[in-house]
Amino acid sequence: QQQVKQSPQSLIVQKGGISIINCAYENTAFDYFPWYQQFPGKGPALLIAIRPDVSEKKEGRFTISFNKSAKQFSLHIMDSQPGDSATYFCAASGGTNAGKSTFGDGTTLTVKP
Amino acid sequence: EAQVTQNPRYLITVTGKKLTVTCSQNMNHEYMSWYRQDPGLGLRQIYYSMNVEVTDKGDVPEGYKVSRKEKRNFPLILESPSPNQTSLYFCASTRTGFSLGNEQFFGPGTRLTVL
Repeated sequence: QQQVKQSPQSLIVQKGGISIINCAYENTAFDYFPWYQQFPGKGPALLIAIRPDVSEKKEGRFTISFNKSAKQFSLHIMDSQPGDSATYFCAASGGTNAGKSTFGDGTTLTVKP
Repeated sequence: EAQVTQNPRYLITVTGKKLTVTCSQNMNHEYMSWYRQDPGLGLRQIYYSMNVEVTDKGDVPEGYKVSRKEKRNFPLILESPSPNQTSLYFCASTRTGFSLGNEQFFGPGTRLTVL
């Protein structure tokens, strides 16, 4: 049973465009929803995260939108740049077990110059 | 510098030959985890540890063992590796706290090939 479903699997965007990646979760006990960014040959690194008590969080060009009733959250990258080309993972964790984390399958983003 | 280190970074072995991948963190985190990353399958949690001598299974624990005898170290043990364990492995250390969230800090990865 996959608890976090991520789409699309791959995404190609022109420089300056908006990249949107979506995730849906099942476990309503999750209370921490991060997005990680991974460049080739590196480990994932936290990009931005949100708690379910807010509907949106913005950090620079990156925004998380959170819909608690629909159990969905999404990452928006504004003014996408070639340097944003990477693999992005959504994840969910928390509730009674902070150690247990579930990741989406990942989205490979390519930003064309 | 705050970091998670893994060794070795690359390993080629044969079926059935026991191996250990080491992981160490210098951030005094209580939580640590092991993941495997396979194309199209994302990151799947193998085991995690909440503190010294406290570990629990993740989503794909079969064929793996872990131990947590010291807070900073969390080795992953494959007692009898098989080809389906060929993968990219990541160790992570988790900073916890409601205001901070459960941010995970990942190591650089270990690419394991089992022939």
